[in-house]
Formats: sequence, structure tokens, C-alpha cells
Amino acid sequence: AQTVTQSQPEMSVQEAETVTLSCTYDTSESDYYLFWYKQPPSRQMILVIRQEAYKQQNATENRFSVNFQKAAKSFSLKISDSQLGDAAMYFCAYRSAEETSGSRLTFGEGTQLTVNP
Amino acid sequence: NAGVMQNPRHLVRRRGQEARLRCSPMKGHSHVYWYRQLPEEGLKFMVYLQKENIIDESGMPKERFSAEFPKEGPSILRIQQVVRGDSAAYFCASSPTRTATNEKLFFGSGTQLSVL
Repeated sequence: AQTVTQSQPEMSVQEAETVTLSCTYDTSESDYYLFWYKQPPSRQMILVIRQEAYKQQNATENRFSVNFQKAAKSFSLKISDSQLGDAAMYFCAYRSAEETSGSRLTFGEGTQLTVNP
Repeated sequence: NAGVMQNPRHLVRRRGQEARLRCSPMKGHSHVYWYRQLPEEGLKFMVYLQKENIIDESGMPKERFSAEFPKEGPSILRIQQVVRGDSAAYFCASSPTRTATNEKLFFGSGTQLSVL
């Protein structure tokens, strides 16, 4: 079974600064997908960024980028130029590429990000 | 095109009562996933359903919990004889196909179940 670990329960960053959230995972599969989701107080799960394991290039979405280290099974999220609206709980998630798993996700425990003005 | 709709948003039950949580997937989506989020924890997979079929229920507690996704109507997560430990946010997500391609999973806003 796959596991996802987020070792930072809480993080804080000054507005306009850069912050990196850590995530490691364990799997015996070679093909899979990795995600970062944002959950604000509204509880809505918002997809931030997605990475395919077979791609060596790190995904980027505007101010959000990842550092994907497949051999180390590490998938960190970097938020540049942090904004007050970035404050939320962030979850790292794993999805197998096996068809029988469908779109089932395995989530980490989350990192609560605070952005200080 | 409405997103994934869950109702009610908040549900209060007394111990021993039944809780029924509803999820209407996005239009055109025939695959539904239920997750549970306990306080201060991440989402945990419960069950994966396709229309009229349970595909994977490996995350469902063995007793008191059941799920269905009928041919017509929403998916229902049913919890019988609720206990305080069932208090959590229950999320539904949907996708258009089963194939594990690079598709996006769409989440509802969740139902917060509180058991008194």
C-alpha cells in the first residue's frame, strides 16, 4: 500500500516571501501521479498542481512549483511571492496509474500554512 | 455546469440515529469517491462507486457504513447507529471515467457530520 507523509504540521511565511512544503511518499509502483491540494476554511478541496511520475520536468503553475525527486520519493511544493490568500491547509496526494485504482487518492496529513502580512 | 453537489452541508445526529449523506456528481461523471476527514487529519479513502456498482470499498468500516450509486439519483453514504467517533467531514469526488489517465478529480464541499 502507498503512504504519503507530510512532516510539517504547520508552516508560516511572510507575505511576498517564498515557502517550501515537504512531502515524501512510499510506493513500489513506477508509474503514478502526485498532487498538491489546497483546503481553505471553506473546506473546498482545490487542486494546486499535478505531476506525472514519468515526466522528469518539474510542474509549475504560476507562483506554484514542485521539486520532484523520484529516486528519493520526495515531492515538495514551493510557493513564491506568497499572498494572504495562500493561507490554507495543504495536502500532498498520491494516485496510482493502475486502472483498477481509478482516481483513488492517498492523502498526507496536511500542512497548515499561515501567511503573515 | 454545476460542480459536485453535496447535501446537507451540516448534519447533526444523536448517537444511535442514522445519517444519510448525498452526493450529486458533475454532469457526465459516472464515477464517485467518498472520503472521510477526521479533525486535524487528511482525507481517507472510503469507497469508489460506479453507477449501480461498488468498485472498491476497502476503506469502508465493516459495520454500520454502506454506500450506493443508483442508476438514477445521487450517490448516498449511509451510516447506521452513529457514534461520536463518526463525527467528521465527509467528502465526495467525481470523475468522468475510470481510466487512470491525467484527469482531474472534482471534489464537493463536504458534509460536516456532528454526532451528539
